[in-house]
Amino acid sequence: DTGVSQDPRHKITKRGQNVTFRCDPISEHNRLYWYRQTLGQGPEFLTYFQNEAQLEKSRLLSDRFSAERPKGSFSTLEIQRTEQGDSAMYLCASSDADRTTKETQYFGPGTRLLVL
Amino acid sequence: GENVEQHPSTLSVQEGDSAVIKCTYSDSASNYFPWYKQELGKGPQLIIDIRSNVGEKKDQRIAVTLNKTAKHFSLHITETQPEDSAVYFCAASQSGGSYIPTFGRGTSLIVHP
Repeated sequence: DTGVSQDPRHKITKRGQNVTFRCDPISEHNRLYWYRQTLGQGPEFLTYFQNEAQLEKSRLLSDRFSAERPKGSFSTLEIQRTEQGDSAMYLCASSDADRTTKETQYFGPGTRLLVL
Repeated sequence: GENVEQHPSTLSVQEGDSAVIKCTYSDSASNYFPWYKQELGKGPQLIIDIRSNVGEKKDQRIAVTLNKTAKHFSLHITETQPEDSAVYFCAASQSGGSYIPTFGRGTSLIVHP
């Protein structure tokens, strides 16, 4: 069990560019969540997957954001036409919905995005 | 939706003292309450959690208490050490469904040697 991993750890981009982040959950965890965290705030939910199905999206997830989990393992989060307001830490978490500890989520180290 | 308030926003203690962080929640349907520790530049790390069928849970120097009637829960850290310095987040969620937690705004704990 190597934990949740995210790549890249840091990303600097110019406004208007597209960026893509990757998350690899704990192996065999069927749920995967994406969050955004800004300075001085707790993580805010963006979207989550059960296996390959995207089951819920937050109002925070504008149409410039898209997430996929094509094979039910790793997931990608893409932001198109980035804006300075997108600058934040993007966190991924995973859990096993089939266990009695189904609510327990384990977070990755995050990807810090800076939009210039 | 759920609303979680967390206090204090900053807590400064001397090494060896106890630290207490308090959270309140608004949705009586919430029944799972995790606490996370986040060090600078890292993701949140689960340190302890409690479900609504118990009132208290302890793990070495860390304990969490839950008062369902008052809708508040607290994190207690005893014999604090400098390595306990971090930002601590409480959260609340419901079993049965998405289990999406609502987080508090965090408490920055500083333990002075």
